[in-house]
Amino acid sequence: KQEVTQIPAALSVPEGENLVLNCSFTDSAIYNLQWFRQDPGKGLTSLLLIQSSQREQTSGRLNASLDKSSGRSTLYIAASQPGDSATYLCAASASGTYKYIFGTGTRLKVLA
Amino acid sequence: GAVVSQHPSWVICKSGTSVKIECRSLDFQATTMFWYRQFPKQSLMLMATSNEGSKATYEQGVEKDKFLINHASLTLSTLTVTSAHPEDSSFYICSAPGLAGGSSYEQYFGPGTRLTVT
Repeated sequence: KQEVTQIPAALSVPEGENLVLNCSFTDSAIYNLQWFRQDPGKGLTSLLLIQSSQREQTSGRLNASLDKSSGRSTLYIAASQPGDSATYLCAASASGTYKYIFGTGTRLKVLA
Repeated sequence: GAVVSQHPSWVICKSGTSVKIECRSLDFQATTMFWYRQFPKQSLMLMATSNEGSKATYEQGVEKDKFLINHASLTLSTLTVTSAHPEDSSFYICSAPGLAGGSSYEQYFGPGTRLTVT
């Protein structure tokens, strides 16, 4: 059974810092791993999708990596800004299916 | 990219009544859709897999008689919360897998429906 955890649960950093969010999953037989952002009271905004055959994806200041053998993914945010403050969720597909199992989330606060 | 819509975006209902939430794939067909629930300050929990033309598959601990799922067409799945109680108040989000390029798939999520049961 796929289980997904995220570390840290919460993070507070000054503006401009580079930071890394971690995601671990127990079953490496995934199709996709996807990172999302969620603002308070809102839905999900897709940030990056990494397919099982890929090692990383980049979009602007965001870079996500995937290591299936170790069951880990990291989201790297460069030069953080107050507007990056949100909850970040990773989701990994369950074994042999397209349904997603979500991680516990990291609440990020970037201080001006 | 592909778009998934939900209706309504928020709903308030009285305890004991039923509420129907719609999930539509607007520009692609989805034989499978997924329903998630999110309680305040918690992550999303998968409730069930909605299958077009057949019965939904529920995750362990989810009452199928309480959360009725119907997937009558390739673009519409509905979730009905029957005999709602205050503890059913939550944020309900649906998703559907769609092509992300080539033969790979990506999950596209609806904007969510906030249900408050008074």
